[in-house]
Amino acid sequence: DAKTTQPPSMDCAEGRAANLPCNHSTISGNEYVYWYRQIHSQGPQYIIHGLKNNETNEMASLIITEDRKSSTLILPHATLRDTAVYYCIVFSLSDMRFGAGTRLTVKP
Amino acid sequence: GAVVSQHPSWVICKSGTSVKIECRSLDFQATTMFWYRQFPKQSLMLMATSNEGSKATYEQGVEKDKFLINHASLTLSTLTVTSAHPEDSSFYICSASGAGWQTNYGYTFGSGTRLTVV
Repeated sequence: DAKTTQPPSMDCAEGRAANLPCNHSTISGNEYVYWYRQIHSQGPQYIIHGLKNNETNEMASLIITEDRKSSTLILPHATLRDTAVYYCIVFSLSDMRFGAGTRLTVKP
Repeated sequence: GAVVSQHPSWVICKSGTSVKIECRSLDFQATTMFWYRQFPKQSLMLMATSNEGSKATYEQGVEKDKFLINHASLTLSTLTVTSAHPEDSSFYICSASGAGWQTNYGYTFGSGTRLTVV
């Protein structure tokens, strides 16, 4: 089974920040949290990843709680093209199972 | 960097025939590759994990004789769906990672193959 739980769906207004939560309460000390997104009928696209510290790149920010049991992906200014299924995955060297993900719909 | 090419992007085959899907890492050596299957409106389901030069490890419920995985080189893994049936119609996706990349870049995914068995 996947090691993460996410809400099944979220809506966001275009131009506003989208905050996508993820619970990973059984995460181990050396496991990373990865976020990917999948637009219809395409392969998953890497967004960001982190271990302990908050991370930011050109696509998004990742906030990881101090106990590492949950994290939040932030898309600072959501656009219509950010509509996709977002997957939070706890990475280990031999296990890359996907949970159900969150279907984000950005509305005009 | 870290590009994974998957081919073909779509294929239609007759029931009872076999189909081969290729997954290539173009600019890195892929020590580990994963194969997934995705049905409409569902998440990706892990089918198997393959390490270069060794036999693939299949997830419970996935028939190893039906879904043949070969990872004979560090840049190529293939999935062969043998004696395909309509229920095998799905979206198949591969992902790959090279040694030492796991903590830096994670896994890179192919663009997927849409298999339709008629």
